[in-house]
Amino acid sequence: QLLLQESGPGLVKPSETLSLTCTVSGGSINSTTYYWGWIRQPPGKGLEWIGSIYYSGSTYYNPSLNSRVTISVDTSNNQFSLKLSSVTAADTAVYYCARPMLQGAPPWAFHIWGQGTMVTVSS
Amino acid sequence: SYVLTQPPSVSVAPGKTARITCGGNNIGSKSVHWYQQKPGQAPVLVIYYDSDRPSGIPERFAGSNFGNTATLTLSRVEAGDEADYYCQVWDSSSGRVVFGGGTKLTVL
Repeated sequence: QLLLQESGPGLVKPSETLSLTCTVSGGSINSTTYYWGWIRQPPGKGLEWIGSIYYSGSTYYNPSLNSRVTISVDTSNNQFSLKLSSVTAADTAVYYCARPMLQGAPPWAFHIWGQGTMVTVSS
Repeated sequence: SYVLTQPPSVSVAPGKTARITCGGNNIGSKSVHWYQQKPGQAPVLVIYYDSDRPSGIPERFAGSNFGNTATLTLSRVEAGDEADYYCQVWDSSSGRVVFGGGTKLTVL
């Protein structure tokens, strides 16, 4: 059974960089052709896609966050990571990592989700 | 950018049918996915590619997509169906995943 687990600091100061990692267990990131994604949800609000990455490193980013987002993959540790720079209170959210139902290019239906990790931006 | 519009709330009596809409410009030309999210939990995919159900999702969940509206239909609604529901598409013109604003389903 494939499991995804987010990890990282729960508190980040304004203007600093938010860094999260998603560890994949029960399957190998580089043995399949999925795009692995990050999605966030501010408290009491809806879902927002941040970006997705292929095992080779190819990425898609949300244009509204593009200038601040970097998603990378570490196949040796079966992980992929999110960095979001210059954070503000508006970046406070639950951050989820997820894997689509089907392999390959979009449109993606996110089928397997991590439990999510709450990140608060505050001084 | 592409916008998906959902009603903020839908109410339904147990055993009845609930329909949650997702409006978008020519959404019928896109593939629509639907998620159920209960408080404090990660979203669960309930419909993908307009009308397919992942393994384990009851047949009571059905989807359709025509013209400018996609619809998630829940038949024989149960108390356990009470949740937020989100639609989602891929907007190829902007290269982004787009979510609707979500609909809170209340079972009366």
